[in-house]
Amino acid sequence: GEDVEQSLFLSVREGDSSVINCTYTDSSSTYLYWYKQEPGAGLQLLTYIFSNMDMKQDQRLTVLLNKKDKHLSLRIADTQTGDSAIYFCAKARGSYIPTFGRGTSLIVHP
Amino acid sequence: SQTIHQWPATLVQPVGSPLSLECTVEGTSNPNLYWYRQAAGRGLQLLFYSVGIGQISSEVPQNLSASRPQDRQFILSSKKLLLSDSGFYLCAWREDGYTFGSGTRLTVV
Repeated sequence: GEDVEQSLFLSVREGDSSVINCTYTDSSSTYLYWYKQEPGAGLQLLTYIFSNMDMKQDQRLTVLLNKKDKHLSLRIADTQTGDSAIYFCAKARGSYIPTFGRGTSLIVHP
Repeated sequence: SQTIHQWPATLVQPVGSPLSLECTVEGTSNPNLYWYRQAAGRGLQLLFYSVGIGQISSEVPQNLSASRPQDRQFILSSKKLLLSDSGFYLCAWREDGYTFGSGTRLTVV
């Protein structure tokens, strides 16, 4: 299987919370990232978490890490149409090059 | 501040033609630079990375090559494009997390 797995699509209603999930296989990962890619644009780093943390919150974004299950999630509160994009989960060990998931397309409808 | 420039934004090239995509960074010195390709429905595939001038590591054997003629310049090339080279190419450099360029959408026809 893939090193980093994500579901390909998520559809939510505007104002609801979105939860994008990611699982990975390498327990030695020390950095876990979430990137956002809007149509036709490059990747924007949203947030990252160290493997010794369980949670990180930054305004509307909450990252949860379950190291035992190797599960990472990104919660977006009060999702807006401007949040529609592809969200990539990535993992890395120290300064090593990250491995990316395939991306989850978040579709926000009114 | 650090910025990364990548061009062109879009490119349509015939099969068999050459390719040159350029990436430059500003506001940093001796950066680690990367070329990724994103194909439809797939994750990012690392193509090349460079830790310094003239130092290129290839992750995937393919029809592409990379060069780093200057500290802040990273070039992705091909002598003869294939249809399978179509995709979205992203340049990146590493500091805290990775910063990506705006990407080049290459269509080989």
